[in-house]
Amino acid sequence: AQKITQTQPGMFVQEKEAVTLDCTYDTSDPSYGLFWYKQPSSGEMIFLIYQGSYDQQNATEGRYSLNFQKARKSANLVISASQLGDSAMYFCAMSEGGGSNYKLTFGKGTLLTVNP
Amino acid sequence: DSGVTQTPKHLITATGQRVTLRCSPRSGDLSVYWYQQSLDQGLQFLIQYYNGEERAKGNILERFSAQQFPDLHSELNLSSLELGDSALYFCASSPTGARSKNIQYFGAGTRLSVL
Repeated sequence: AQKITQTQPGMFVQEKEAVTLDCTYDTSDPSYGLFWYKQPSSGEMIFLIYQGSYDQQNATEGRYSLNFQKARKSANLVISASQLGDSAMYFCAMSEGGGSNYKLTFGKGTLLTVNP
Repeated sequence: DSGVTQTPKHLITATGQRVTLRCSPRSGDLSVYWYQQSLDQGLQFLIQYYNGEERAKGNILERFSAQQFPDLHSELNLSSLELGDSALYFCASSPTGARSKNIQYFGAGTRLSVL
C-alpha cells in the first residue's frame, strides 16, 4: 500500500480564491511528521509547512494551513487567496519514527494551476 | 534560498561513465539526505548521512555510493551510468534536536542526463 496518496493529479483555481490539495497517509507508527513541499517549474523543492502527529492544533504558515484529521489519516493543504505564483507541483510527504533517521516518503504530487 | 548548495546544476554524460554530485548543507545541519526524482519513480529516498556516518539507506543502487566529509559536505557518486539514471538528484539537510522538527531543506538539484 502506498504510504502517501495524493488523489488529484491536477487542480485549477482562480486567482484570489482558496484551494485544498488532498493528502492521505498510511502508517502504524504513533510518531510521524507530515510535510508539504512546493516545486515550481524551475525545479527546486521549497518547504511550506509541517505537522507533527502529536500536535493538537493545525499548522499554519502565512497563506498555507494544514487541515490535519488524524483519525482519517489525512493532511490536506489549504492555500488561501491564491496567487499566480502559486502555480506549481505540490508534494505531500511523511517521516516516521524517531532516532535520527527522518527520511521522507513522498506522494506523486498535485499540479496546481492558478488562473488569472 | 534554502541554504543548501548543489553542484553542478546540470550534468550531461554518456552511458558507462561515472559522475560525482556535490552538496553543501546549511550551516550547522549535521544530516544530509539524497533523493532521486524521475518521471516513472517519482521522488525516492536514496541515502542519509549524519555527522559523517551512514544512517539509513533507501532504494539506492549498488552502482551508487555516497559519503559525508568532516566539513559535512556530501558527495553522491554514480557509476556505470545507464539511460535510466537520468533524473533530478536532490540533496537535503536538516537540523537536529527535538525543536527542529527535522524539517528537510532541499538544494536546487542536479539534473543528470545520460545519453
